[in-house]
Amino acid sequence: LAKTTQPISMDSYEGQEVNITCSHNNIATNDYITWYQQFPSQGPRFIIQGYKTKVTNEVASLFIPADRKSSTLSLPRVSLSDTAVYYCLVGEGTGGFKTIFGAGTRLFVKA
Amino acid sequence: DVKVTQSSRYLVKRTGEKVFLECVQDMDHENMFWYRQDPGLGLRLIYFSYDVKMKEKGDIPEGYSVSREKKERFSLILESASTNQTSMYLCASTPAGTGGWYDYGYTFGSGTRLTVV
Repeated sequence: LAKTTQPISMDSYEGQEVNITCSHNNIATNDYITWYQQFPSQGPRFIIQGYKTKVTNEVASLFIPADRKSSTLSLPRVSLSDTAVYYCLVGEGTGGFKTIFGAGTRLFVKA
Repeated sequence: DVKVTQSSRYLVKRTGEKVFLECVQDMDHENMFWYRQDPGLGLRLIYFSYDVKMKEKGDIPEGYSVSREKKERFSLILESASTNQTSMYLCASTPAGTGGWYDYGYTFGSGTRLTVV
């Protein structure tokens, strides 16, 4: 199982781009990378997934280098409402039964 | 737009009680999961189920059991509650098959904060 490591916390200001990097050195060939956002008193919410290179959706971008040993979630022009905990989750492609959530990165966006 | 519903937001139980946490999903997902979340430890998988009446242990199954009699419902049971089971409990579901969990993600409920006194 791929263990993930993220920074514990990050601060930013409104309007800035925020990049959160997750390390997953022992990622397997058939593992996929996903990211979640969690607000207080709510369950995590799926944001984005990728296997390699770059993926972009309406919420974020995900950058994955060729060796796939890390991934970077990019949030463009953050607002106060982006203050949350962000989790990187890596797991095998077939069932997702054995995935490990790390401790997450607490992002605090200031005015 | 509610998709995964956990029966209680807050629960207070006494040590030694048998506790039932209920989870219902309306997305016809095959896979369902129970996690607990504690500060600094992230989410830890307790049990999961990939079909009715099927269950598999996760990383921390001790002190817990589960029941899945219907596809939409997955129950977590604390056989004899202890204070170290005070935690936030999260239920999640995903569709089956390759791509189910990463294309659509886990859909989580809002959680049940359980306090055992």
